[in-house]
Amino acid sequence: LAKTTQPISMDSYEGQEVNITCSHNNIATNDYITWYQQFPSQGPRFIIQGYKTKVTNEVASLFIPADRKSSTLSLPRVSLSDTAVYYCLVGLHASGGSYIPTFGRGTSLIVHP
Amino acid sequence: EAQVTQNPRYLITVTGKKLTVTCSQNMNHEYMSWYRQDPGLGLRQIYYSMNVEVTDKGDVPEGYKVSRKEKRNFPLILESPSPNQTSLYFCASSGTYSTDTQYFGPGTRLTVL
Repeated sequence: LAKTTQPISMDSYEGQEVNITCSHNNIATNDYITWYQQFPSQGPRFIIQGYKTKVTNEVASLFIPADRKSSTLSLPRVSLSDTAVYYCLVGLHASGGSYIPTFGRGTSLIVHP
Repeated sequence: EAQVTQNPRYLITVTGKKLTVTCSQNMNHEYMSWYRQDPGLGLRQIYYSMNVEVTDKGDVPEGYKVSRKEKRNFPLILESPSPNQTSLYFCASSGTYSTDTQYFGPGTRLTVL
């Protein structure tokens, strides 16, 4: 199964915009791209999901190019509380038509004062 | 309140002593899954279930069993735990497909001595 690829870590400062890119070369035609946020010792939490072009909600934007082989999570004006691990997830077809979601290893974002 | 619950939250056991970690969701979700999380390896799926009596292996199923006799419950069974199963375990559920938004439980930290 293909895996997603993300940077292992990123650093930023309060008030800056942060962009985290995820590579998913083998994304299937009907797969959606979902991003999750995880704080230490907590379960991941849904941030945003998209299929193509751009999606925006109250916390983030998701940019997906036409070929859908990558996606970029954009966090506007980060604060210290955005320090977390961010996972990119796509559902991939396994043989037999079942779905096995594959989380990347995540990107550890540290926001500095 | 919509939620996924896991029990116990913390467990210390010894090699070979069978244990079960329970998972329950109150959202009438069809899809449930178990993940383990280890430092540097991100989230890896152990087993998943697309509906009652339907289960299948994820990426790292060795040493684990699951069952799905009811829609709301998806217990994880370790018949003969070993130290390499020391990990943080998460249960998750989603509507129909793995690419639907997944709701994660609070996690179970397991230590096998």
